[in-house]
Amino acid sequence: GPKVLQIPSHQIIDMGQMVTLNCDPVSNHLYFYWYKQILGQQMEFLVNFYNGKVMEKSKLFKDQFSVERPDGSYFTLKIQPTALEDSAVYFCASSLKGSSYEQYFGPGTRLTVL
Amino acid sequence: GQQVQQSPASLVLQEGENAELQCNFSTSLNSMQWFYQRPGGSLVSLFYNPSGTKHSGRLTSTTVIKERRSSLHISSSQTTDSGTYLCALERRDSNYQLIWGSGTKLIIKP
Repeated sequence: GPKVLQIPSHQIIDMGQMVTLNCDPVSNHLYFYWYKQILGQQMEFLVNFYNGKVMEKSKLFKDQFSVERPDGSYFTLKIQPTALEDSAVYFCASSLKGSSYEQYFGPGTRLTVL
Repeated sequence: GQQVQQSPASLVLQEGENAELQCNFSTSLNSMQWFYQRPGGSLVSLFYNPSGTKHSGRLTSTTVIKERRSSLHISSSQTTDSGTYLCALERRDSNYQLIWGSGTKLIIKP
């Protein structure tokens, strides 16, 4: 089936540094999402993105977070500066359209903030 | 309260037994997805099932919107089925975000 790729698979950084998580969505998909899962906890929605804009963000999407997809390349999640509580697995997803369309997920990026 | 509730939280079965996992929701939905989460954390999409019944090998998913529930049935379970099963729904009045259950941890003993 359609594949979403995420780079890197693991990232370890020191608190206060900047990190960029990269997502290569399914090629013809138009809607993009980030979800966060802290170890042992529930998956939670962060943000979704369409036509160059954030459509909706949750309370977990702090001011230090930003997303973009410049010129149809990677869909990125940037955290600047990072905090200890940002340690989690971040999953990217994409869908062809918005409502009532299946979301396809990448394998996740495990972020560890020291 | 929780909009998506999964039950049981954990389930231990002998290999060969059937497993029934439930997902109950308190909101109207546009879609329902079921995932298997490997012990390492990666997700495997099992079903996209907004309503009705779907089959895939030993797996069956049934979503009954009027009763606000979706189920995942695993027949003749195998040890390799062990892991966490997640349901996630797209709420009707949301901006396409998925709301997740807390998962059912399934352990299949040989």
